[in-house]
Amino acid sequence: DVKVTQSSRYLVKRTGEKVFLECVQDMDHENMFWYRQDPGLGLRLIYFSYDVKMKEKGDIPEGYSVSREKKERFSLILESASTNQTSMYLCASSLQGARNSPLHFGNGTRLTVT
Amino acid sequence: AQTVTQSQPEMSVQEAETVTLSCTYDTSENNYYLFWYKQPPSRQMILVIRQEAYKQQNATENRFSVNFQKAAKSFSLKISDSQLGDTAMYFCAFMGTSYDKVIFGPGTSLSVIP
Repeated sequence: DVKVTQSSRYLVKRTGEKVFLECVQDMDHENMFWYRQDPGLGLRLIYFSYDVKMKEKGDIPEGYSVSREKKERFSLILESASTNQTSMYLCASSLQGARNSPLHFGNGTRLTVT
Repeated sequence: AQTVTQSQPEMSVQEAETVTLSCTYDTSENNYYLFWYKQPPSRQMILVIRQEAYKQQNATENRFSVNFQKAAKSFSLKISDSQLGDTAMYFCAFMGTSYDKVIFGPGTSLSVIP
């Protein structure tokens, strides 16, 4: 089974801090995604990557950046955390080109910015 | 841009009964995939069922089935013989032709009552 691991389950950070959320997958998937989950809004795509060092903006990239230096790892960076970035963050991966291949999700990171 | 709408924020069903969750979507594409994902209280999102748009036959997975109406852009999920373990958030999702990107609806919170 695919395993997607997010480094932290809960994080509490202060406004203005630089925050790193890490995600690792172990099934050699080309695609990796960062979503933000908020009540009533569902999952909104922040960034995704279809190859090492490649990235594409999703629907809400403002205030975030990403890094993919190795195939298995995809990091989400909050350059200067703000209270409106308090949310649940979900990482996911999938096979590229396998059009019916589902997303495989991590357990999520609940980030609180105070 | 594609959008996914779930008009029922919360639903409940008695154990062993049948419940239907609604989903509509908007797209100009002709070939795409639709998914239902489940997120139990433990938070890890898992795939419930998938449907390919060019297949007219509705997908089924054990107690889960869909009613796919392509012309109406409707994709509802039917859960038969509901079980306590079906209590979860359910997300409808759309994947078109763009880099395997998946768009999610806002979710429906389903409670199965003993």
